[in-house]
Amino acid sequence: DQQVKQNSPSLSVQEGRISILNCDYTNSMFDYFLWYKKYPAEGPTFLISISSIKDKNEDGRFTVFLNKSAKHLSLHIVPSQPGDSAVYFCAASMNTDKLIFGTGTRLQVFP
Amino acid sequence: DAGVTQSPTHLIKTRGQQVTLRCSPKSGHDTVSWYQQALGQGPQFIFQYYEEEERQRGNFPDRFSGHQFPNYSSELNVNALLLGDSALYLCASTLGASESYTFGSGTRLTVV
Repeated sequence: DQQVKQNSPSLSVQEGRISILNCDYTNSMFDYFLWYKKYPAEGPTFLISISSIKDKNEDGRFTVFLNKSAKHLSLHIVPSQPGDSAVYFCAASMNTDKLIFGTGTRLQVFP
Repeated sequence: DAGVTQSPTHLIKTRGQQVTLRCSPKSGHDTVSWYQQALGQGPQFIFQYYEEEERQRGNFPDRFSGHQFPNYSSELNVNALLLGDSALYLCASTLGASESYTFGSGTRLTVV
């Protein structure tokens, strides 16, 4: 039972444009959501998070939006840069419990 | 400031063998979690250790066991290895119940 889903395995975006990565979840008890970025041969690196009491959180070029009624969150990267090319994982937790990850979306930013 | 350190980085084992993976948490962190990432999948939670006790466990068989030492470092042991245990094993540390995890680069285990 996949509680966190990333339905797009890959995304290709031109440098300077917006990248939008999507994530859906099924468990309404999740109260904290995170995005991690992973380069090959490295562990996941924390990017940005959002609590369920908010609907938006911004950090520089990265913004996460949470739509609780739709059980959907998205990560916006503006402007996209070649160094953003990586695999992005969405993760969720409840009551500071373990992280449950999606399957990841591979983002490629081309010049 | 060293982050999470895992060893070894790669290893190859034969079916039926046993393996031990090691993790040193980030300085100041006291909680260690282990994840298994199969090819093309997201990390799957195995278990979490805090104060040398297993605090949470994911849906993994008893062949997977762990330990946390007084210095907060941790080991993951897998007995009777199966081909399906081939994966990247990630260790993540945090402080207490914080959801801000720092991940290591992982150990790539190949079972042949």
